[in-house]
Amino acid sequence: DAGVIQSPRHEVTEMGQEVTLRCKPISGHDYLFWYRQTMMRGLELLIYFNNNVPIDDSGMPEDRFSAKMPNASFSTLKIQPSEPRDSAVYFCASSLQGREQYFGPGTRLTVT
Amino acid sequence: AQSVTQLGSHVSVSEGALVLLRCNYSSSVPPYLFWYVQYPNQGLQLLLKYTSAATLVKGINGFEAEFKKSETSFHLTKPSAHMSDAAEYFCAVSERQGNLIFGKGTKLSVKP
Repeated sequence: DAGVIQSPRHEVTEMGQEVTLRCKPISGHDYLFWYRQTMMRGLELLIYFNNNVPIDDSGMPEDRFSAKMPNASFSTLKIQPSEPRDSAVYFCASSLQGREQYFGPGTRLTVT
Repeated sequence: AQSVTQLGSHVSVSEGALVLLRCNYSSSVPPYLFWYVQYPNQGLQLLLKYTSAATLVKGINGFEAEFKKSETSFHLTKPSAHMSDAAEYFCAVSERQGNLIFGKGTKLSVKP
């Protein structure tokens, strides 16, 4: 079975540009999570969805960040405009009935 | 409120020695508990989970963890470390469907 798929795996962009990260959860899973991981702050939950509906976005750092889940098999995390402090690895995870989560390989974002 | 404390941000063992990674949790209800492993440049992988069945849980790669309610602990052990076990390990707790609360992680180094 395919796991969680994320694209791109690496993204390098200049400050001020729009960045869109993509995630395809495991088929049949009803929860989707977006995390950010940095050396300084560790693993942070940004937002999660249940049945495509955002449940908790309290971890989204600023209005520059937005996330959508238009259907059960696709989600995006957008940063506009991007800043150097957004540089991090962004993970998407999915779960069935909100228990153990399965993580994607991550997107390494570098903002110069 | 639920929380997780991992004692020791770095643990170093010799190859063949016992691995013990400590995790204490705080939860107002019987929790679900998890251990995840993250190898360099990869996403988090589920190692094992406790879901109120047997208190001794066996996971992948020879790891196991024991749930001790009286000590609010869920320590991870492996009898004999391999070089391939070098990674970062995260403990996580869930009280309800949806969110997992992760510890800050413990980096395990294995010396030859």
